[in-house]
Amino acid sequence: ETGVTQTPRHLVMGMTNKKSLKCEQHLGHNAMYWYKQSAKKPLELMFVYNFKEQTENNSVPSRFSPECPNSSHLFLHLHTLQPEDSALYLCASSQQNGLSTEAFFGQGTRLTVV
Amino acid sequence: GENVEQHPSTLSVQEGDSAVIKCTYSDSASNYFPWYKQELGKRPQLIIDIRSNVGEKKDQRIAVTLNKTAKHFSLHITETQPEDSAVYFCAASNSNYQLIWGAGTKLIIKP
Repeated sequence: ETGVTQTPRHLVMGMTNKKSLKCEQHLGHNAMYWYKQSAKKPLELMFVYNFKEQTENNSVPSRFSPECPNSSHLFLHLHTLQPEDSALYLCASSQQNGLSTEAFFGQGTRLTVV
Repeated sequence: GENVEQHPSTLSVQEGDSAVIKCTYSDSASNYFPWYKQELGKRPQLIIDIRSNVGEKKDQRIAVTLNKTAKHFSLHITETQPEDSAVYFCAASNSNYQLIWGAGTKLIIKP
């Protein structure tokens, strides 16, 4: 167990649904991330939160809405998704202290948009 | 913009042979270079990393080399075993301490 937990593990949703992905880390880290992993593509960084403040938003469509209520929890709210949004969504955390450090990943949520 | 190129996309080697995966990066400010292994259906996990003040690092059968002048770094796995079969990702840090990822290499170990 790496200390980063994601729920649900699998999610099937229609294009008009609203759902949320949850991530929790028990490592005491101050930074949390959402990544999208599609087949045969690099990991795509979506959002970064450092000390609960969003520091990066890599041109992600507004149908993805992140929320970070505290340094241990991260959510990704989904609405009006498209079939091309189907992918594995990975949460990660790290300790940012002026040096790049190891990112610890959750097991991911396999999302299918129908 | 910043990018990391990783080659090959698929690598098939005989069990017991060595495997080498190569990455190049564009940001001269990069100073941290981790390698992650992702087994089928599992999360990516760090297997080895190197910082820019070091040219080589080794951990049992795994080694990483870094050439800052040429902006490339490589993962070397010796005496490959079936459990080495996975997708391997390289990454390089940027000036915001974020990681820029390669596209991954699927390593297949043939028995």
